[in-house]
Amino acid sequence: DAKTTQPPSMDCAEGRAANLPCNHSTISGNEYVYWYRQIHSQGPQYIIHGLKNNETNEMASLIITEDRKSSTLILPHATLRDTAVYYCIVSSSGNTPLVFGKGTRLSVIA
Amino acid sequence: EAGVAQSPRYKIIEKRQSVAFWCNPISGHATLYWYQQILGQGPKLLIQFQNNGVVDDSQLPKDRFSAERLKGVDSTLKIQPAKLEDSAVYLCASRTRGESGTANNEQFFGPGTRLTVL
Repeated sequence: DAKTTQPPSMDCAEGRAANLPCNHSTISGNEYVYWYRQIHSQGPQYIIHGLKNNETNEMASLIITEDRKSSTLILPHATLRDTAVYYCIVSSSGNTPLVFGKGTRLSVIA
Repeated sequence: EAGVAQSPRYKIIEKRQSVAFWCNPISGHATLYWYQQILGQGPKLLIQFQNNGVVDDSQLPKDRFSAERLKGVDSTLKIQPAKLEDSAVYLCASRTRGESGTANNEQFFGPGTRLTVL
């Protein structure tokens, strides 16, 4: 079973920041937080991952709370192409299979 | 670089028939995964290969599903015989071997094969 809890759906206005929350209260010390997204009719796509420090790349920012029990994925300027299902996944190492939950369906609205 | 290739993209069969899916991972990627994604759910791992060896097949229904990666490159997933509940998207993913203990679990997914069992 997935070790994360996410809201089933969210809306965001185009051009605004999209903040997607994730709870992972049972995360272990050696587990990382990964975010993937899945656009309709495509396979999942890696976005970002982190351990305890905040991370940023060209796609998004990842904010992890100090106690590591929750995190937020931030898309700074959402576009219509960001409409997708976003999955928050906890995983212990690089070779561990990903355990997906149901994710959050983000709808970016013009 | 070329992505993960899968074929066919769509397949419709009747229950009790057989079906096979093919996956060509990204060149040089040692680890290959097959996932099953039922409508409305996240992908679920079926089997994981490291080169041509099976690492994890604990969730593969072995009475009807089989998979192989004979030369450590391409892989095929077979269902024989298919049941109605096998209707799903079958996703193939690959990743580099990476260093032992590396945190990077960036898996590259193919577009999937959508199977409909009637």
